Amino acid sequence: GAGVSQSPSNKVTEKGKDVELRCDPISGHTALYWYRQRLGQGLEFLIYFQGNSAPDKSGLPSDRFSAERTGESVSTLTIQRTQQEDSAVYLCASSSGDFFSYEQYFGPGTRLTVT
Amino acid sequence: AQTVTQSQPEMSVQEAETVTLSCTYDTSESDYYLFWYKQPPSRQMILVIRQEAYKQQNATENRFSVNFQKAAKSFSLKISDSQLGDAAMYFCAYRRTGNQFYFGTGTSLTVIP
Repeated sequence: GAGVSQSPSNKVTEKGKDVELRCDPISGHTALYWYRQRLGQGLEFLIYFQGNSAPDKSGLPSDRFSAERTGESVSTLTIQRTQQEDSAVYLCASSSGDFFSYEQYFGPGTRLTVT
Repeated sequence: AQTVTQSQPEMSVQEAETVTLSCTYDTSESDYYLFWYKQPPSRQMILVIRQEAYKQQNATENRFSVNFQKAAKSFSLKISDSQLGDAAMYFCAYRRTGNQFYFGTGTSLTVIP
């Protein structure tokens, strides 16, 4: 498994419930990104992890959203008290973190549906 | 703040013809990278082509090439000899020195047989 993986691929939840989305980046990639993509829209930056530095959380839309990353490994995006407007595809991407190694590798995304 | 604008929500092209997708961006930085990503219905984002801002030469990858106009902050993608497999959403993206990426809203490309 050389690529970025995400789980689950699809998640249906009731309004008000909490959900956790998981991302497994490519081994050795120090940078990890979460994006939200609403239907027919572009990618909306949520949060960025780079090594042991403090994450850039500037894109998180509310305090119901949070994310963690264990070292340079797995990341979990948590959405508390889900709302219908949270319905979207959540994409994770990783990169080597070197500015001169610019490419992001994307996972297949998790489609979240809040009913 | 950096913004990326794709003014063409939808485009269509006849198979084997050439199409150009537009992208403009706003930045105060001098060193950055620009990208075009393709997202087919499978949702998997695929890098199509990249351009380093410090390079004046336009990037080319087989049938894909860009027209990078740094002063105008324009970064268009040209697809030559369009194929049915080129049908997808295309996103223009900007990467700043802090490693953060900014994406446009996308252009949906239809290839007509």
